[in-house]
Amino acid sequence: DQQVKQNSPSLSVQEGRISILNCDYTNSMFDYFLWYKKYPAEGPTFLISISSIKDKNEDGRFTVFLNKSAKHLSLHIVPSQPGDSAVYFCAATTSQNSGYALNFGKGTSLLVTP
Amino acid sequence: GAGVSQSPSNKVTEKGKDVELRCDPISGHTALYWYRQSLGQGLEFLIYFQGNSAPDKSGLPSDRFSAERTGGSVSTLTIQRTQQEDSAVYLCASSLVAGLFSGNTIYFGEGSWLTVV
Repeated sequence: DQQVKQNSPSLSVQEGRISILNCDYTNSMFDYFLWYKKYPAEGPTFLISISSIKDKNEDGRFTVFLNKSAKHLSLHIVPSQPGDSAVYFCAATTSQNSGYALNFGKGTSLLVTP
Repeated sequence: GAGVSQSPSNKVTEKGKDVELRCDPISGHTALYWYRQSLGQGLEFLIYFQGNSAPDKSGLPSDRFSAERTGGSVSTLTIQRTQQEDSAVYLCASSLVAGLFSGNTIYFGEGSWLTVV
């Protein structure tokens, strides 16, 4: 039962443009959301997170938006750079269990072309 | 160490054999997690440790899977009588403590690729 869904397996964007990666979740108990980035043959690395008390969190070129009513979040990367090419995983959890069990989506492979 | 270290990085084993996967977390991290990623799937939570105890083992797929952690540091994930469906990347992660707060980032290792033939 996939509680976190990333419906786009891949995305291609030109360098300098905005990349928008989407994520939907089904469990209304989720109140903490994270994005991880993964290069081939490496473990996922933390990118940015957002708590359900917020609807936006920004860190440099990366912004995460949360729409609780739609159970939807998105990651915006602007401007996109070739080094951003990687697989991006959306993850969600509930702070009630201390957040130790992250529920991951299947990932979206982003390709940023020069 | 500088990061989460896992071994072996690759393991090919015959169906029915037992395998052990090792994780060395970041020094000082008390929380340790095991996840796995099967082909075409997202990461699946298996188990986590706070210190040497595992409060939640509900993610382990069957009783062929077990994990232990000794000395609050190294952890071993053991799969007995491996099956082909066990083929996956097994990822270990660690954090200062188990909990969601700013700065308590979960750091992942590079994973152990297991292939059961």
